[in-house]
Amino acid sequence: DTGVSQNPRHKITKRGQNVTFRCDPISEHNRLYWYRQTLGQGPEFLTYFQNEAQLEKSRLLSDRFSAERPKGSFSTLEIQRTEQGDSAMYLCASSLKAEAFFGQGTRLTVV
Amino acid sequence: QKEVEQDPGPLSVPEGAIVSLNCTYSNSAFQYFMWYRQYSRKGPELLMYTYSSGNKEDGRFTAQVDKSSKYISLFIRDSQPSDSATYLCAMIYNQGGKLIFGQGTELSVKP
Repeated sequence: DTGVSQNPRHKITKRGQNVTFRCDPISEHNRLYWYRQTLGQGPEFLTYFQNEAQLEKSRLLSDRFSAERPKGSFSTLEIQRTEQGDSAMYLCASSLKAEAFFGQGTRLTVV
Repeated sequence: QKEVEQDPGPLSVPEGAIVSLNCTYSNSAFQYFMWYRQYSRKGPELLMYTYSSGNKEDGRFTAQVDKSSKYISLFIRDSQPSDSATYLCAMIYNQGGKLIFGQGTELSVKP
């Protein structure tokens, strides 16, 4: 499978715990994006990388959120001290030109 | 006001009907326009992508962009129950930029 891969698919965590998600983009794609989607809403932009450089971060990305793409390949998104409001689908996408392709997402539930 | 407005529906049509889905946007700087299909609990799947104004056809799907009216449309001909999903419009200012999504329209095609 050469599409965007995200792990885990589902994560249930207790409030206050830290969680980390991983995204493996399509191999030749140099741009990688993170989005968050809540029920009944379109995806909201969080951050994006071109190669290993993080070029833009949304105001939605509080200081509890951090993302890395250490070698310009896979990326991780970490949420520290999770809150119930962090419950959402976290989507990763990658692109080489204009079209962006999404993974299946990681569904986070904070209890 | 949101940058991209999309009627959330739900929209219910009989099998075989022509479906029209629409979005309006406020910023004339958008250059690339996409339509994504999202099944429940899955990631968005890219359906169509158009640069600037004009029409693009792919099988039963036609995308239209009218930049003078800041209005984009997706038409689905001969709709099938398998087309039942949420349809998301999205747009970017330039290649590699972040996608700005509409809220999504939930479509149900009844057999």
